[in-house]
Amino acid sequence: GESVGLHLPTLSVQEGDNSIINCAYSNSASDYFIWYKQESGKGPQFIIDIRSNMDKRQGQRVTVLLNKTVKHLSLQIAATQPGDSAVYFCAEMGSSGAGSYQLTFGKGTKLSVIP
Amino acid sequence: NAGVTQTPKFRVLKTGQSMTLLCAQDMNHEYMYWYRQDPGMGLRLIHYSVGEGTTAKGEVPDGYNVSRLKKQNFLLGLESAAPSQTSVYFCASSRPLGGLSYNEQFFGPGTRLTVL
Repeated sequence: GESVGLHLPTLSVQEGDNSIINCAYSNSASDYFIWYKQESGKGPQFIIDIRSNMDKRQGQRVTVLLNKTVKHLSLQIAATQPGDSAVYFCAEMGSSGAGSYQLTFGKGTKLSVIP
Repeated sequence: NAGVTQTPKFRVLKTGQSMTLLCAQDMNHEYMYWYRQDPGMGLRLIHYSVGEGTTAKGEVPDGYNVSRLKKQNFLLGLESAAPSQTSVYFCASSRPLGGLSYNEQFFGPGTRLTVL
């Protein structure tokens, strides 16, 4: 079946540096691609989404890039801070039939920020 | 505004026991979801509901049942717990998906279930 996956399971960056978290997807029919952040012991928290007809979207300190040619999604975090330490999940939203939609999550990348 | 709450936070069951996890949301969301998260894994959808009185199967529905009798509540039941159901369970809610913009899912804090 189709799935959403990740290139790297862990990522360590120096505080103040930029972070790039990557994700590969296989369902080219997905409507949206989303990034979630999960801090230890908490539920996932929405960061940013991008519609399938876009290739870039910016938020506060975050940028999501979508490359449909190679089915690749990335999350860039500018000036990484200790509070950014978490597991980051990419997810794709696609139709599950009969007008319903579901999210399919990747396995996650653990980001550790070195002070 | 509490958002999405889940009870209980922790539970230990013996194989064969039953239990119900409760999810409540105060955002008047139509859609609600139950996910499970296993170590090193992403979230997998168990069941979901697009409105009061309706439920549907997700990716991993076997061994679970759900009910949505009230719009604000979504119950997840395990009739006969198995060790394979040891996991962290997350509930989420959202406005309807599939529109012109993405309506984010708001997640609860999770329930850690261990089945011995």
